[in-house]
Amino acid sequence: GAVVSQHPSWVICKSGTSVKIECRSLDFQATTMFWYRQFPKQSLMLMATSNEGSKATYEQGVEKDKFLINHASLTLSTLTVTSAHPEDSSFYICSADRETQYFGPGTRLLVL
Amino acid sequence: KQEVTQIPAALSVPEGENLVLNCSFTDSAIYNLQWFRQDPGKGLTSLLLIQSSQREQTSGRLNASLDKSSGRSTLYIAASQPGDSATYLCAVQKSGGSYIPTFGRGTSLIVHP
Repeated sequence: GAVVSQHPSWVICKSGTSVKIECRSLDFQATTMFWYRQFPKQSLMLMATSNEGSKATYEQGVEKDKFLINHASLTLSTLTVTSAHPEDSSFYICSADRETQYFGPGTRLLVL
Repeated sequence: KQEVTQIPAALSVPEGENLVLNCSFTDSAIYNLQWFRQDPGKGLTSLLLIQSSQREQTSGRLNASLDKSSGRSTLYIAASQPGDSATYLCAVQKSGGSYIPTFGRGTSLIVHP
């Protein structure tokens, strides 16, 4: 139990386009999900906390208009990287809260 | 602010060795500590979860200990195998709050045949 999926697993896009990443809790409901970003050989950095039915809480230094988060249901949160640029290329990981956090497999984004 | 440090940053050993990976944290007011494995380009796989009231957890060849008062945890890997090659991350969840974990940078392990 406690499986979290992400889609897509990898995406390549042109600079200036927007990319949506989905995070789903497959066998449990999660009122809270988290989005992390990981650069090569670095640790996971929390970007934002996604709350079902309310606005996301962003960490300091994360642009909320750049990284749009929607938590439309108890099993789905989406992260949209708007007007993506090469510096947004990274590995994005979500997690869903069920007493502890269960992590998705990650999405690798490459912006050309 | 909680800080998590993992030592060593990288480790390369021959197959069969017993290994110790270290994790230290600055704030002992923790809810739990978790060890994860991350393969290249992949997400996180939870290995062991130690609650703040526990001293250790074991799973197969893995044993994790927790000394909350000194702010330390160790992950012991017995009889290492090439399949153990991965990055091992330590994460600490703070008590009395949102339970958002703070991650260390990880230890990159290579076990060669």
